[in-house]
Amino acid sequence: GQQVMQIPQYQHVQEGEDFTTYCNSSTTLSNIQWYKQRPGGHPVFLIQLVKSGEVKKQKRLTFQFGEAKKNSSLHITATQTTDVGTYFCAGPGSGTYKYIFGTGTRLKVLA
Amino acid sequence: EAGVTQSPTHLIKTRGQQATLRCSPISGHTSVYWYQQALGLGLQFLLWYDEGEERNRGNFPPRFSGRQFPNYSSELNVNALELEDSALYLCASSLAGDRNQPQHFGDGTRLSIL
Repeated sequence: GQQVMQIPQYQHVQEGEDFTTYCNSSTTLSNIQWYKQRPGGHPVFLIQLVKSGEVKKQKRLTFQFGEAKKNSSLHITATQTTDVGTYFCAGPGSGTYKYIFGTGTRLKVLA
Repeated sequence: EAGVTQSPTHLIKTRGQQATLRCSPISGHTSVYWYQQALGLGLQFLLWYDEGEERNRGNFPPRFSGRQFPNYSSELNVNALELEDSALYLCASSLAGDRNQPQHFGDGTRLSIL
């Protein structure tokens, strides 16, 4: 079946360092969404990318959708302790209405 | 605007019992999604309801079922509970059934099976 994998699974960084998580789908996605889940919390929608090759920025966060619409990345510049949490990518599978969430990347930021 | 609300917050059951989890979507949202999140793991898609109809379900046994009411609230029922059903159950809602709509999550129901 369709899978959405994220790497790395875990990442520990020193505060101020950059961080990137990669999302790879086994099939084409019509769009991709990114969510952040703080420890003990629920996923919160961050952004959606729709177009091939699209790049969007939110302050220190940069999101990119691959040309083939099968991969995406989230890059955080100069991490802060408030960035701690698990980042999930998600999207509907092509031709289906099932939402596929990625395996998630858990980020820890050391002060 | 009130967010997605789920009840109860915690639920403790024993093996073989039945559990009912409830979700109220954001006003105006007609789609409701259910996910299972085992401790420290990702979100596994369970069910999607839109306009009162089940639109899709994930790879879960039939003892996981649910329904959506005319006011768009939803129930998730889990029969014959097993130990591995212990998890956080998250409900999310979105506008209509458009796949391009972001999902808004509730705080979840933590189900513990003893």
